[in-house]
Amino acid sequence: DQQVKQNSPSLSVQEGRISILNCDYTNSMFDYFLWYKKYPAEGPTFLISISSIKDKNEDGRFTVFLNKSAKHLSLHIVPSQPGDSAVYFCAASAGNQFYFGTGTSLTVIP
Amino acid sequence: NAGVTQTPKFQVLKTGQSMTLQCAQDMNHEYMSWYRQDPGMGLRLIHYSVGAGITDQGEVPNGYNVSRSTTEDFPLRLLSAAPSQTSVYFCASSYREETGEYFGPGTRLTVT
Repeated sequence: DQQVKQNSPSLSVQEGRISILNCDYTNSMFDYFLWYKKYPAEGPTFLISISSIKDKNEDGRFTVFLNKSAKHLSLHIVPSQPGDSAVYFCAASAGNQFYFGTGTSLTVIP
Repeated sequence: NAGVTQTPKFQVLKTGQSMTLQCAQDMNHEYMSWYRQDPGMGLRLIHYSVGAGITDQGEVPNGYNVSRSTTEDFPLRLLSAAPSQTSVYFCASSYREETGEYFGPGTRLTVT
């Protein structure tokens, strides 16, 4: 049973606009939530994380929001750039195990 | 730093053959893990290790063995390959949960 879900397989955004990627989870025991970026034929690259005791974390153009009551997190990218085009995975950790969503393919249109 | 390295990059096996996927990291990370990525399934944890001599099962451990004799190396063994093990395999290592995992470039395995 998928504990971390990304319900949007793809997203297209104009360059300079905001990209919002969403993720839902079912396990309330998760300690950390993370976002990764993946280019074809490469391994995922860590982007940003948030502790379960926080509701927002920001790093440059990337902000992650956590809504524990809704078991929902989102990644905001502002402004979006063509180089941001990739597959984005959300992940959550509990007890030394990481659980990944199925990914959202982001295309930033110049 | 080379980071996380994996060999081979590509491999074709016949059903029933065995092989070992190699993984090494030079960052002195205690935590290492193996994932498989299948279309529409995301990354699923196969096995992980929190330090030399300690391994544990993830979500999909059946058909795979691991060992961790050193901090640097974490090989994944396929005991008797099956077509269902056709996948892309990623090895990763981590310093702390909140800093995420460093992933290798992956091994694309096809079992015929």
